[in-house]
Amino acid sequence: QSVLTQPPSVSEAPRQRVTISCSGSNSNIGNNAVNWYQQLPGKAPKLLIYYDDLLPSGVSDRFSGSKSGTSASLAISGLQSEDEADYYCAAWDDSLNGVLFGGGTKLTVL
Amino acid sequence: EVQLVESGGGLVQPGGSLRVSCAASGFTFSSHWMSWVRQAPGKGLEWVANIKEDGSEKYYVDSVKGRFTISRDNAKKSLYLQMNSLRAEDTAVYYCARIRSGYSAFDFGGQGTLVTVSA
Repeated sequence: QSVLTQPPSVSEAPRQRVTISCSGSNSNIGNNAVNWYQQLPGKAPKLLIYYDDLLPSGVSDRFSGSKSGTSASLAISGLQSEDEADYYCAAWDDSLNGVLFGGGTKLTVL
Repeated sequence: EVQLVESGGGLVQPGGSLRVSCAASGFTFSSHWMSWVRQAPGKGLEWVANIKEDGSEKYYVDSVKGRFTISRDNAKKSLYLQMNSLRAEDTAVYYCARIRSGYSAFDFGGQGTLVTVSA
């Protein structure tokens, strides 16, 4: 069971905005950066957001990240069908001395 | 562009051993921490291990400690994961990842290699 908690699924209509939450604790999100990954069906994961809210080169600015306390969020605006994917949050955990991933959230664009 | 080519996966019996490899290109391999991340069939991502630029520090998820060993050869720009005492629950696609300097974020660059542990 993941210590970083994400909703298993979210859905929204095209052109709308959706947010995916990631809840942790002081030993991970509360004290370390949060990164987000997108995994398209049948593909390898891809870094989407790093250091809470930074976009890697080439990632659309429709994606944004935020963090407050022990929770983080990924927002996707102007939803497109190609955004259908699994999304994972991740953070270093000081107690475990390792990286934790959230359980993943499956995004469906209706 | 980060390019990582994983290889060495296959079918192995429970209790057996396997070594998977990752060939890196497109960046200065010796300047980055590296990692292995795995994904069991139909499941989420799980971090497995990290190794420092010079190999002097290594970290593992509890479930593989004492069984798996991460290593690297900077001259060959290659990362390795030696897996011993394999269990059915180790069945997964194993991805190699570069750790983005200063940010603890993974840059994936390959399609992974499938390790299946079954009798």
